[in-house]
Amino acid sequence: AQSVTQPDIHITVSEGASLELRCNYSYGATPYLFWYVQSPGQGLQLLLKYFSGDTLVQGIKGFEAEFKRSQSSFNLRKPSVHWSDAAEYFCAVGAPGGSQGNLIFGKGTKLSVKP
Amino acid sequence: DSGVTQTPKHLITATGQRVTLRCSPRSGDLSVYWYQQSLDQGLQFLIQYYNGEERAKGNILERFSAQQFPDLHSELNLSSLELGDSALYFCASSPAHTLYGYTFGSGTRLTVV
Repeated sequence: AQSVTQPDIHITVSEGASLELRCNYSYGATPYLFWYVQSPGQGLQLLLKYFSGDTLVQGIKGFEAEFKRSQSSFNLRKPSVHWSDAAEYFCAVGAPGGSQGNLIFGKGTKLSVKP
Repeated sequence: DSGVTQTPKHLITATGQRVTLRCSPRSGDLSVYWYQQSLDQGLQFLIQYYNGEERAKGNILERFSAQQFPDLHSELNLSSLELGDSALYFCASSPAHTLYGYTFGSGTRLTVV
């Protein structure tokens, strides 16, 4: 079955420290991959997406993610975390080629930032 | 502002009642998708409409139904509400029936008491 695993439910990092959020997927083929961020009480904002091509993807707010086919992973990184990055982060996958429109989401990783 | 409008933002209702959530897609988008975000199930796809027709179905309960109107707005109807239906309901839209240009609305928070 298709699934997305975010192994870390909650991560705390110090402001200015680097960040890596993990995402692994199970899919029949290489899916389209997404990272979303959700602040408390807010909607989902797209950080970045991978459809094809360069496996290192740059997104908004200084985030990047790397697709590793051999590991079925799409980890999200940021070199220096800001207090405003505290939020919940969701990894999602969709059908390769975008032939179907629904996304499968991971359970999310909540990020706390220490001053 | 993503361009996808969901109303109301908050809704409080009693068990057994029926509610309607509304979604207006981004201008030009033909597809509308509904998702439910709950504490125990996380974010789950419910249903998709494309240009007025149901295109895909996910984990949608029989008590729930949806439709897309000729002006492309969509409504999600939830009936015989239970406490467990309390959740954040998101709508997304895209130009076609694919993942290109996928945009989420800000959601409707439903509380069943």
